[in-house]
Amino acid sequence: GQQLNQSPQSMFIQEGEDVSMNCTSSSIFNTWLWYKQDPGEGPVLLIALYKAGELTSNGRLTAQFGITRKDSFLNISASIPSDVGIYFCATNNAGNMLTFGGGTRLMVKP
Amino acid sequence: DAMVIQNPRYQVTQFGKPVTLSCSQTLNHNVMYWYQQKSSQAPKLLFHYYDKDFNNEADTPDNFQSRRPNTSFCFLDIRSPGLGDAAMYLCATSRDRRWETQYFGPGTRLLVL
Repeated sequence: GQQLNQSPQSMFIQEGEDVSMNCTSSSIFNTWLWYKQDPGEGPVLLIALYKAGELTSNGRLTAQFGITRKDSFLNISASIPSDVGIYFCATNNAGNMLTFGGGTRLMVKP
Repeated sequence: DAMVIQNPRYQVTQFGKPVTLSCSQTLNHNVMYWYQQKSSQAPKLLFHYYDKDFNNEADTPDNFQSRRPNTSFCFLDIRSPGLGDAAMYLCATSRDRRWETQYFGPGTRLLVL
């Protein structure tokens, strides 16, 4: 089956720093989704991308759908302690089910 | 306002004792999904309902069953929980299978003693 390679696996940064994470695959997709999961909670949708090249912002978050349709990145500017959590990229597989990346665990030091 | 609700949030059961987890949604979405998520891993799809049509993933054990009595509710039944079934169970919904955006509930954390 297709695989999403998400990196980095974890990040430990200082409050106020910018963050960048990405997902890549050898397959092309029609959708990229970015979710955040707080400890003990379900994933919450942050940004949905439906078009190659699309750049979308949600507050301090910005995500882009790669022009090749094989990758996507998520940036967080000026990180704050509540940004802590696990960030998952996800996309639709051949059966239109979601496939998730392995996640990026973000830790922010105040 | 909660759109996907899961009860209970925490469930403790004994090895081999059947357990049922519930999910309800106020979105009137056609599709409901059940995922299993183990620590530090991505959610893994167990099965989904498209309206009343049940779709099982190929590698979902027979120990896991599901019921959807109406649009709003969906249940996950674990017939004989084993220690390896301890995990977070997530319910999600989407308007249509072709619409990829899924909305997740807060999850039920299952502990098997």
